[in-house]
Amino acid sequence: DVKVTQSSRYLVKRTGEKVFLECVQDMDHENMFWYRQDPGLGLRLIYFSYDVKMKEKGDIPEGYSVSREKKERFSLILESASTNQTSMYLCASSGVPQTYEQYFGPGTRLTVT
Amino acid sequence: EDQVTQSPEALRLQEGESSSLNCSYTVSGLRGLFWYRQDPGKGPEFLFTLYSAGEEKEKERLKATLTKKESFLHITAPKPEDSATYLCAAAGGTSYGKLTFGQGTILTVHP
Repeated sequence: DVKVTQSSRYLVKRTGEKVFLECVQDMDHENMFWYRQDPGLGLRLIYFSYDVKMKEKGDIPEGYSVSREKKERFSLILESASTNQTSMYLCASSGVPQTYEQYFGPGTRLTVT
Repeated sequence: EDQVTQSPEALRLQEGESSSLNCSYTVSGLRGLFWYRQDPGKGPEFLFTLYSAGEEKEKERLKATLTKKESFLHITAPKPEDSATYLCAAAGGTSYGKLTFGQGTILTVHP
C-alpha cells in the first residue's frame, strides 16, 4: 500500500512566522503535490513536482514556496504566515505507470493567529 | 479549461436506500476519471479509476461507471459508515499528472 505521511496533523502558528510542512512518501513516486482545501472552494493545487529539485506552480502559489531535495520528500514553506493561510493542507503523490492516480496524506490543519 | 462538476452538493439517505452521485466533466483527452472518499478531518482515500466510456468498477456497496460526459457513483443499500464526502477528479491530456477536482458530494446515511 502507498503511504504518504505529513509531519503534523495540527499546527498553530503566529502571523509572520516561517512555517514548514513536510510530506514523505514510501512508494518511490516521481510526482508529488501540495493542495489546500477550504470549505466551498474545494481542493486547490499550490505547487507540484515531477522530479527531484523540480517544481511547478499550481493554481494558487502566491505566498508559498516548495523544496524537493530527495525523491521521497516534498516540503511546503510559508515564508511569512498570514491568517488567510489558515487551512487544511494536503500532500499527494503519484507514479508510473498510473501517473494520474494520486494518493493523499492525512492532512495538516494549520491555524495562523 | 478542464472542468468537473458534482451533484448534488449534499445527499441524505436512509440506511438501505440506494442512490447515485453524479460527476460531469469537460476535459480534453480524458486520461482518467477518479473517485475518492474523504472523512471529516482526513485526507481523501482513493476508491476507483475509470479510463474509458463503458467501464465499471465495484467495491463493496459502491459501483462507479463512466460515459463520455459523466461518471456515476452508485451506492447500493448504504450503511451509516458510508457517510463521507465523495470527490470526483479528472485528468486531461494537456495537464500531465495533474487532476481537476469537483467540489464533492456530502453523503449522510441515517440509520
